[in-house]
Amino acid sequence: NAGVTQTPKFQVLKTGQSMTLQCAQDMNHNSMYWYRQDPGMGLRLIYYSASEGTTDKGEVPNGYNVSRLNKREFSLRLESAAPSQTSVYFCASSEYMLIRGNEKLFFGSGTQLSVL
Amino acid sequence: GQQVMQIPQYQHVQEGEDFTTYCNSSTTLSNIQWYKQRPGGHPVFLIQLVKSGEVKKQKRLTFQFGEAKKNSSLHITATQTTDVGTYFCAGKSGGSNYKLTFGKGTLLTVNP
Repeated sequence: NAGVTQTPKFQVLKTGQSMTLQCAQDMNHNSMYWYRQDPGMGLRLIYYSASEGTTDKGEVPNGYNVSRLNKREFSLRLESAAPSQTSVYFCASSEYMLIRGNEKLFFGSGTQLSVL
Repeated sequence: GQQVMQIPQYQHVQEGEDFTTYCNSSTTLSNIQWYKQRPGGHPVFLIQLVKSGEVKKQKRLTFQFGEAKKNSSLHITATQTTDVGTYFCAGKSGGSNYKLTFGKGTLLTVNP
């Protein structure tokens, strides 16, 4: 099993450009998440999807949109990239976030994004 | 909102020394998780603690959850170079099912 797969691994954008980060999991998990990681800031939740068909904002949703395409796939879109969005982005999944004990997160390998 | 504070931010040890990182929450937690991230890698789940006062061990790693469920610690005995990485705690408060709040992590480096 591949687990959680993210693409691309690296991306450089110019300010104002748009792009979509792709994420897919093959563990039949219900819940999926997008985090960003900045030096000294830990992991901050951007958006999450508790189950197929639902999405909700996390701590830092401004400037992002998400789509839960199906149970396997959860994409993150930057409509107009800004330098403040330079970060490492991690997709994660869990069996089902709303049931205690099923919240163990499996992370993808990350996307290093630079916005110039 | 819920805050999870983790100390120290950095720790450098000689191989064979012990290491401890501490996690404190501003609110009572329903559970706490610990993750390890190797340099250049992604976070990997280590363990989840649920019960007040719970202690769990994984080889040289000992995890504790405080009696009041507001703090936790990870202790590594006799560190090895393979222990290098950033250790994160992540706590979930009972009132918000989704909100797993991560601490900022402790970066451990080990001098061989």
